[in-house]
Amino acid sequence: SQTIHQWPATLVQPVGSPLSLECTVEGTSNPNLYWYRQAAGRGLQLLFYSVGIGQISSEVPQNLSASRPQDRQFILSSKKLLLSDSGFYLCAWSVGPRKDGYTFGSGTRLTVV
Amino acid sequence: AQSVTQLDSQVPVFEEAPVELRCNYSSSVSVYLFWYVQYPNQGLQLLLKYLSGSTLVESINGFEAEFNKSQTSFHLRKPSVHISDTAEYFCAVNSGNTPLVFGKGTRLSVIA
Repeated sequence: SQTIHQWPATLVQPVGSPLSLECTVEGTSNPNLYWYRQAAGRGLQLLFYSVGIGQISSEVPQNLSASRPQDRQFILSSKKLLLSDSGFYLCAWSVGPRKDGYTFGSGTRLTVV
Repeated sequence: AQSVTQLDSQVPVFEEAPVELRCNYSSSVSVYLFWYVQYPNQGLQLLLKYLSGSTLVESINGFEAEFNKSQTSFHLRKPSVHISDTAEYFCAVNSGNTPLVFGKGTRLSVIA
């Protein structure tokens, strides 16, 4: 069966420090992968999505970047964190027809201090 | 671009009372509609979805949603809520080849 792993679960980082969040999917090939951020009262904001290795689409210009070094691995990064980067980061995957919806990971709570 | 509006950010309701969470989307020729539920500090779980056919769709835990094309709505309802239904609920729409677009969420609080 397909599963999605996201880590770490929680992270406290100082302003100006780098960031690396990792997401991996098991049990499927060539998934579409997504990074969302959830900030209080603002719903889910799509940050990046990828339809294949090395293919990254950015939805919102900001302090973050994403990479897909392997078929089932999606990494969210920042060189220097800002206070405004705090939030709940969710990775998701989909495969096949769009009618299937997305499957989400358990999320990473990032607090920038 | 597709958009989703969830009209209520918070909905308090007493246990065993009915509830309706409202969702409207911008019009499109062909859409798929979803409701997701998020419990505290967890990811989102698919609750139900409308793809085609019957406009009334149901979930295994008593929720239902009705697709209304003329009103571009997909409201979520439950006739009798439980404490365990306390969570945040997100409506989402998919059209064309673009990623899912989510509403801002509705926080349902069930009061004993």
